[in-house]
Amino acid sequence: KAGVTQTPRYLIKTRGQQVTLSCSPISGHRSVSWYQQTPGQGLQFLFEYFSETQRNKGNFPGRFSGRQFSNSRSEMNVSTLELGDSALYLCASSPGLAGEGQYFGPGTRLTVT
Amino acid sequence: AQSVTQPDIHITVSEGASLELRCNYSYGATPYLFWYVQSPGQGLQLLLKYFSGDTLVQGIKGFEAEFKRSQSSFNLRKPSVHWSDAAEYFCAVYAGGSNYKLTFGKGTLLTVNP
Repeated sequence: KAGVTQTPRYLIKTRGQQVTLSCSPISGHRSVSWYQQTPGQGLQFLFEYFSETQRNKGNFPGRFSGRQFSNSRSEMNVSTLELGDSALYLCASSPGLAGEGQYFGPGTRLTVT
Repeated sequence: AQSVTQPDIHITVSEGASLELRCNYSYGATPYLFWYVQSPGQGLQLLLKYFSGDTLVQGIKGFEAEFKRSQSSFNLRKPSVHWSDAAEYFCAVYAGGSNYKLTFGKGTLLTVNP
C-alpha cells in the first residue's frame, strides 16, 4: 500500500497570504489528523477528521481550518499567515480513530517570510 | 489534560550498547500509549503501541516498551543499538475525556557513536 502523501513538500509564503496543504491518507484509512511541528513547541495537534466530520480540534486560532472529503483526502488551510506559522505540518491517517495508531506522511515545510 | 514527559533531551550511546528512553505520562486513567521515531527531514514512524493486556509490547526494528501503571511510565528499550537507530524518538498518549487527541512528548534525540 502506498503511504500517506502530502503536497506540496515545501512552500514559501508571505505574511498575510493564505495557504492550503493537501493530504492523501493510506487507502482504506478513514481518519486523518494534522499536526504542527516547530523547534520551540514540538508536535502539536491541530485537528482530527473522521468520515468527513471534525472530531477534535487543538488549541489553535480560527485561522487554521481543515476539511475531509468523501474519499478521505484532507486539506488544511491557514489564512492570514504569520511568521510564527513557519513549521513542518504533518498529516497522519489511521484505519479508524486516531487512537488505533497513526501513520504519518513526510510533512509539508511551510516558511512564512 | 494529559501530558507526556520525556526527561532526556539528548542521549548518546555506543553502537552495540543497550538503550532505554524514558517516558512518563499524566492522565487519570490508562491512556493509549505510543512510541514514534523521526529521522531528519522525515515524518514520524510508529514503532509500537500499547492499548491493554500484556504490559511488555514488542515493536518494529527490535524495540520493545514496558508499561508500568504504578510509575505512569512507558519506557522504550532496545538490547543492542545500531548506527541506523540515530534519530529523534517521541512518546505519545491518546486520551482526553471528551476531546481525545494525541499528545506528544518533546522528544529524545539519540546519537549513536561507532
